[in-house]
Amino acid sequence: DTAVSQTPKYLVTQMGNDKSIKCEQNLGHDTMYWYKQDSKKFLKIMFSYNNKELIINETVPNRFSPKSPDKAHLNLHINSLELGDSAVYFCASSPLGAGNTIYFGEGSWLTVV
Amino acid sequence: SQQGEEDPQALSIQEGENATMNCSYKTSINNLQWYRQNSGRGLVHLILIRSNEREKHSGRLRVTLDTSKKSSSLLITASRAADTASYFCATPRGSGNTGKLIFGQGTTLQVKP
Repeated sequence: DTAVSQTPKYLVTQMGNDKSIKCEQNLGHDTMYWYKQDSKKFLKIMFSYNNKELIINETVPNRFSPKSPDKAHLNLHINSLELGDSAVYFCASSPLGAGNTIYFGEGSWLTVV
Repeated sequence: SQQGEEDPQALSIQEGENATMNCSYKTSINNLQWYRQNSGRGLVHLILIRSNEREKHSGRLRVTLDTSKKSSSLLITASRAADTASYFCATPRGSGNTGKLIFGQGTTLQVKP
């Protein structure tokens, strides 16, 4: 069974569209994250949620809106997509607290044309 | 800002040789982690070394940590073609529930058969 699963894996869309990426973890973790990896493989945290509560928001444009309906799910909705949003988005989870091992999903490849 | 920086950025070796990757960081840490990312996949945790440890082994992996120099190294012995991947170090920043893991830009390792 996949521990952290995210869908879709590939997404190609036009500028200005709105899209969502869904994520689910079955590890029983309290903390979930969204990371963005750019074309140079630099991995940057976007958001962190603990038990459905937003904990970290790394100055991400408000076109990005995470939603956590329960602690096992963290979805990412992006409005008015821009070319610069093209990247790989990783969902991840970990036990509560800083410095714990993080478990990543397989990534969602977003291409904005 | 980026916490960890890996060196070299890219490394190409023959199967059977050893591969050494280095990571430097800037602030005090309580642990340092190494992750592997195969092409087109998510990151996978390899090993965690605590600040009071100097060396740790896991199979063909050996990690060292020098807190006085704020640096760590990952050694892969007797490399295999399947070790071809990007390797990232990661360090926690912050504490408690608001902490987060900061990743370096990674070392891309190519192991030629």
